[in-house]
Amino acid sequence: KNEVEQSPQNLTAQEGEFITINCSYSVGISALHWLQQHPGGGIVSLFMLSSGKKKHGRLIATINIQEKHSSLHITASHPRDSAVYICAVQGGSEKLVFGKGTKLTVNP
Amino acid sequence: ETGVTQSPTHLIKTRGQQVTLRCSSQSGHNTVSWYQQALGQGPQFIFQYYREEENGRGNFPPRFSGLQFPNYSSELNVNALELDDSALYLCASSPGQGAVTQYFGPGTRLTVL
Repeated sequence: KNEVEQSPQNLTAQEGEFITINCSYSVGISALHWLQQHPGGGIVSLFMLSSGKKKHGRLIATINIQEKHSSLHITASHPRDSAVYICAVQGGSEKLVFGKGTKLTVNP
Repeated sequence: ETGVTQSPTHLIKTRGQQVTLRCSSQSGHNTVSWYQQALGQGPQFIFQYYREEENGRGNFPPRFSGLQFPNYSSELNVNALELDDSALYLCASSPGQGAVTQYFGPGTRLTVL
């Protein structure tokens, strides 16, 4: 079993829909990261969380440390949100452990 | 402020050859991490350098080695290339160790034939 599991693997939505991507992890962590990867490979860091909730524009990330679970929400989705969203956790060491990603396609 | 840059963008090598990938960290960042991302998979941690010293290593064989320079730029060297080394290699810089945001470069796509 992977240390970081994401669901769903693939997600197709219509423009304007509310999107939720889930991430569960099995180890103790110091921080959880949500990243966005566009075709071609470039990765952008969206959030780093250690507790609670963060919001940036239409993106919201939440984390429940007790349940070892985090969600990334996108409100009023847009075709430009189409990308792979990756959850990564950071434990006591320096390395990030990544999930396999969720491929989001938002159709106009 | 310039972001993280990597070179080259793409590279094709044959089995047994050696390759060097380069990463320039974001201004003010003293920590660089390297990751390997196989097709359809999440990135895997290779190693991290902090102030020119290796500061953590993932499950990669010794033929994967690195270097960080006084200006905090970094190199990833891979010897005796194998077909399975074909992947996107990402570097990320951060302003320190621990739980901080990492800033990723665009990656180098390595193909081993």
